[in-house]
Amino acid sequence: KAGVTQTPRYLIKTRGQQVTLSCSPISGHRSVSWYQQTPGQGLQFLFEYFSETQRNKGNFPGRFSGRQFSNSRSEMNVSTLELGDSALYLCASSLGDRGVTEAFFGQGTRLTVV
Amino acid sequence: AQSVTQPDIHITVSEGASLELRCNYSYGATPYLFWYVQSPGQGLQLLLKYFSGDTLVQGIKGFEAEFKRSQSSFNLRKPSVHWSDAAEYFCAVGGNSGNTPLVFGKGTRLSVIA
Repeated sequence: KAGVTQTPRYLIKTRGQQVTLSCSPISGHRSVSWYQQTPGQGLQFLFEYFSETQRNKGNFPGRFSGRQFSNSRSEMNVSTLELGDSALYLCASSLGDRGVTEAFFGQGTRLTVV
Repeated sequence: AQSVTQPDIHITVSEGASLELRCNYSYGATPYLFWYVQSPGQGLQLLLKYFSGDTLVQGIKGFEAEFKRSQSSFNLRKPSVHWSDAAEYFCAVGGNSGNTPLVFGKGTRLSVIA
């Protein structure tokens, strides 16, 4: 069974540009969550999508957005990039149904903003 | 608001020695607790989880954790550490609704010396 796949693995962008990251969850999982990981702030929750709807949202500015497609694949977009957006962006998939289930993480996308 | 504290930023142990990583949580309802491990440049791998029942849970790679409600703790243990256990370890807490985002501690970096 394939795991969570994130593409691309590495990205270098310039301040002011925008970027789109992709996440393909484990087959059968309908929930996809996104996290930002930085040395200073640790792992911070961005948002969660379930069945194409945003179900939860963290405390990030509107420059960070996402969407989920009918096949559960998800994308996140960051517009007007800032140096502080440099981070490892992790995607996690889970069944997402009622009751707690564990989240499985992808390898992450390392974004560097210069 | 829920939170997780990992008091130790960095721990160094000798190969073959025992290990205990501390985790304290704050959560208003029944917590669901997780330990994840992250190798450099990689995503997070689930080591073990506690949902309910027996407070001593076994995980992969010989790890175990004990849930102590009275102390709001979920410490991770391993009786004999291997050099390959060197990594960063994250404790996380989630809710029981199935769609509560995970809240992570800042992590504990484990170094293993010969």
